[in-house]
Amino acid sequence: GENVEQHPSTLSVQEGDSAVIKCTYSDSASNYFPWYKQELGKRPQLIIDIRSNVGEKKDQRIAVTLNKTAKHFSLHITETQPEDSAVYFCAASGPAEGSYIPTFGRGTSLIVHP
Amino acid sequence: ETGVTQTPRHLVMGMTNKKSLKCEQHLGHNAMYWYKQSAKKPLELMFVYSLEERVENNSVPSRFSPECPNSSHLFLHLHTLQPEDSALYLCASSQTSGSRGETQYFGPGTRLLVL
Repeated sequence: GENVEQHPSTLSVQEGDSAVIKCTYSDSASNYFPWYKQELGKRPQLIIDIRSNVGEKKDQRIAVTLNKTAKHFSLHITETQPEDSAVYFCAASGPAEGSYIPTFGRGTSLIVHP
Repeated sequence: ETGVTQTPRHLVMGMTNKKSLKCEQHLGHNAMYWYKQSAKKPLELMFVYSLEERVENNSVPSRFSPECPNSSHLFLHLHTLQPEDSALYLCASSQTSGSRGETQYFGPGTRLLVL
C-alpha cells in the first residue's frame, strides 16, 4: 500500500518568512495530492491540491509543487501570517481499485511568530 | 459549514456505557469515513464505507462498531470503551471516481472522553 512521509513535524517561522513542508510517497501510481489545514479545535480543510498531470499550482500565498520522478510534493507558504499557524497534512491517493482512500502524512505543526 | 455534520460535538462516557456518534453529509458523496485523532498523533483511518458497503476496517477493536444505513448517514457505535479511546473522532465524506482520488470533506468532530 501507499506510504506517505511528511517533514518536518514542527516548523517555527517569523511572520513574513516563507514556510516549506515536504512529503514523499511510495506508490508511483498515486495521482492526487491534497493538502489540508487544521486550525486548533477545528476540522481539517482542503487548502490546495494537485494532480499528477501538473507540476505546480499556486493560489495567492500558497503553492504546491510535484516531482513525480522523485515521488515528492511540497507545500510553500509565502509571507506567512499568524493566522497560518495550524497543523498541515499532506495526502496521496488514486487511481487503483479502492485507492480513492487517501493515505495521510503525520502532519506538520506550523507556528508563525508575530 | 453544513456540508458534513456530526453529533454530539462533545461526549463524556464511562467504560460501561453504550453511546453512538452520528455523521451526516449533504454533499451527495458516495463514500464516508471514520478517523480517530489523538493528541499529537496523525489521523488514523478506522472505517471506510463506499456505496453503503464497508470496504476497509483498519484492525479496529470490536468495541467500535460502524453502521452506514445509506450514503448520507454514518454511525459509530461505542461500547465498553477504554480511557485510551479518548480522542477526537472525525467523520469525512468524498466522491469515489473510478480512476482518481478526490477531496475529503471533514465534519467538525466529536470530542470523546472516556472515564
